[in-house]
Amino acid sequence: ETGVTQTPRHLVMGMTNKKSLKCEQHLGHNAMYWYKQSAKKPLELMFVYSLEERVENNSVPSRFSPECPNSSHLFLHLHTLQPEDSALYLCASSQDERQGPYEQYFGPGTRLTVT
Amino acid sequence: TQLLEQSPQFLSIQEGENLTVYCNSSSVFSSLQWYRQEPGEGPVLLVTVVTGGEVKKLKRLTFQFGDARKDSSLHITAAQPGDTGLYLCAGADNNDMRFGAGTRLTVKP
Repeated sequence: ETGVTQTPRHLVMGMTNKKSLKCEQHLGHNAMYWYKQSAKKPLELMFVYSLEERVENNSVPSRFSPECPNSSHLFLHLHTLQPEDSALYLCASSQDERQGPYEQYFGPGTRLTVT
Repeated sequence: TQLLEQSPQFLSIQEGENLTVYCNSSSVFSSLQWYRQEPGEGPVLLVTVVTGGEVKKLKRLTFQFGDARKDSSLHITAAQPGDTGLYLCAGADNNDMRFGAGTRLTVKP
């Protein structure tokens, strides 16, 4: 595997379910990110991890819970989601979030549908 | 919070035409990236510009960073159907990176 991988690619879940999204980067980067992409909206940065430490949490509801066990893996745990949480969830990595040029490499995303 | 405005939001052209899309902000950026995203996939980095006035070329794509590092443009020459996609710009400064909403380009054969 090369680059950034995400699983699953598609997920349909009910509002009472608990599921997890997985991201893995094979680039040797130190920073990882979760983004939400909804139709006709800019990418919304959700969480940033640098060297496995969460450095940014952009007022994301607690029904989204990130986990970064090491610099190569990032999870997003989901529980009691709402239909408006349906979106494409993108994972990205970069060499170092603390210094430029901040080039980010994205995974293919997980298309989440909450029913 | 930096706000990046991209224009136009949508652009539909015929194969072989030239086009320019824009990314504007009132904020100064230390670097700016352009990405292309195809349906069902994540954005793919095309280029990074860091110096005011910088011009970079990637085959038929020409990227320019404004002198004041507040804006950027992407010019495509002789567009092809394979150029179809969502073009996103992202500006970064002081650990803060923000994306524009993108320009959705369709190139018809």
